Amino acid sequence: AQSVTQLDSQVPVFEEAPVELRCNYSSSVSVYLFWYVQYPNQGLQLLLKYLSGSTLVKGINGFEAEFNKSQTSFHLRKPSVHISDTAEYFCAVFSNTNAGKSTFGDGTTLTVKP
Amino acid sequence: DAGVTQSPTHLIKTRGQQVTLRCSPKSGHDTVSWYQQALGQGPQFIFQYYEEEERQRGNFPDRFSGHQFPNYSSELNVNALLLGDSALYLCASSPVSGANVLTFGAGSRLTVL
Repeated sequence: AQSVTQLDSQVPVFEEAPVELRCNYSSSVSVYLFWYVQYPNQGLQLLLKYLSGSTLVKGINGFEAEFNKSQTSFHLRKPSVHISDTAEYFCAVFSNTNAGKSTFGDGTTLTVKP
Repeated sequence: DAGVTQSPTHLIKTRGQQVTLRCSPKSGHDTVSWYQQALGQGPQFIFQYYEEEERQRGNFPDRFSGHQFPNYSSELNVNALLLGDSALYLCASSPVSGANVLTFGAGSRLTVL
């Protein structure tokens, strides 16, 4: 079985400040890790993914995440946020032994204030 | 290149009724997964279809059923609707060679009264 815990349900931050959204996962097998973003009244859009190789992955809109196997974490970061980054962010895990099923966290609401 | 399209975008039903939601996958994708997203929660996996067969199923009752057509499009059917079925239903497609990366549609928002 696999699970995802997003440690913060809401993260308020001022514009141009750095932000970190935290994600821990649990799995007994190797996994792939993802961050998705959901804007109001829209579906989910892939931000970035870790499949293998370098543990620091870069995604769209200036976001990056670091895979830490020993800590079973995959935290999302951005050095300077914009108002337009206000959205819901979901961390997800996928394993080939659970083929076809991605497990999502409950989401973190990022609110960027002027 | 059209992405994943879902219909209808919004619908209202009453308890006990049945609903059918439709999904057309992204061009080049042959695998379709359905997720339920309740308010304030992350998407929960319902099931996945590949080659017109259900390949994986999440922890949902038999009232939830689906179908995939030869053109890879898919339907989600829910019978005997309950108030708790109110949610955003998301369809996601992927190529079988890259099943871990999902492309989502905008969803169908179902309200059960």
